[in-house]
Amino acid sequence: AQTVTQSQPEMSVQEAETVTLSCTYDTSESDYYLFWYKQPPSRQMILVIRQEAYKQQNATENRFSVNFQKAAKSFSLKISDSQLGDAAMYFCANFQGAQKLVFGQGTRLTINP
Amino acid sequence: GAVVSQHPSWVICKSGTSVKIECRSLDFQATTMFWYRQFPKQSLMLMATSNEGSKATYEQGVEKDKFLINHASLTLSTLTVTSAHPEDSSFYICSARPTGWGTEAFFGQGTRLTVV
Repeated sequence: AQTVTQSQPEMSVQEAETVTLSCTYDTSESDYYLFWYKQPPSRQMILVIRQEAYKQQNATENRFSVNFQKAAKSFSLKISDSQLGDAAMYFCANFQGAQKLVFGQGTRLTINP
Repeated sequence: GAVVSQHPSWVICKSGTSVKIECRSLDFQATTMFWYRQFPKQSLMLMATSNEGSKATYEQGVEKDKFLINHASLTLSTLTVTSAHPEDSSFYICSARPTGWGTEAFFGQGTRLTVV
């Protein structure tokens, strides 16, 4: 079965600091893709960053980077220089076998000014 | 960028009636579209995967006869909630995967359904 687990229901960080959101997944596939999505209060899903499983190099998008540990099936998101606009729900997701996108439970991130 | 438009953004309907939600890919063709349901403060639960020109694939526990999905063209998928009941009240989100673009998927803005 394809599962994605986020063990942190809520996280908070001071503005300008760094925060790491955790995600683990389970898959029997060798080829898959991992994503972090952001859902602000508007509830529009926004892609933050993606990682192809076959790539060893961790993906980076400006202040957002991932720590992809394939053997441990871990995929954490690091947000550097946190900004107030980063406050949202963050969902880790696994696109397996190019068939369907499955989400974790989500982590609510609060940015303290 | 790729845009997915979902309509309506919110709808209120009476118990026993049916309501249709549309999901359109505005600037790309989507062979595959996904429908999700999201309860307050919870994650997105995949309901079904629709493929253009074929029957949708429903996730376990999702009633096919209650949640009718039609993907009649490469830019439009519809979700019809039939004989709606208050427990069907939820936030429904669609996602479209561009044909030939690999694994990227783009989301609509969601539809808040309230059944009274």
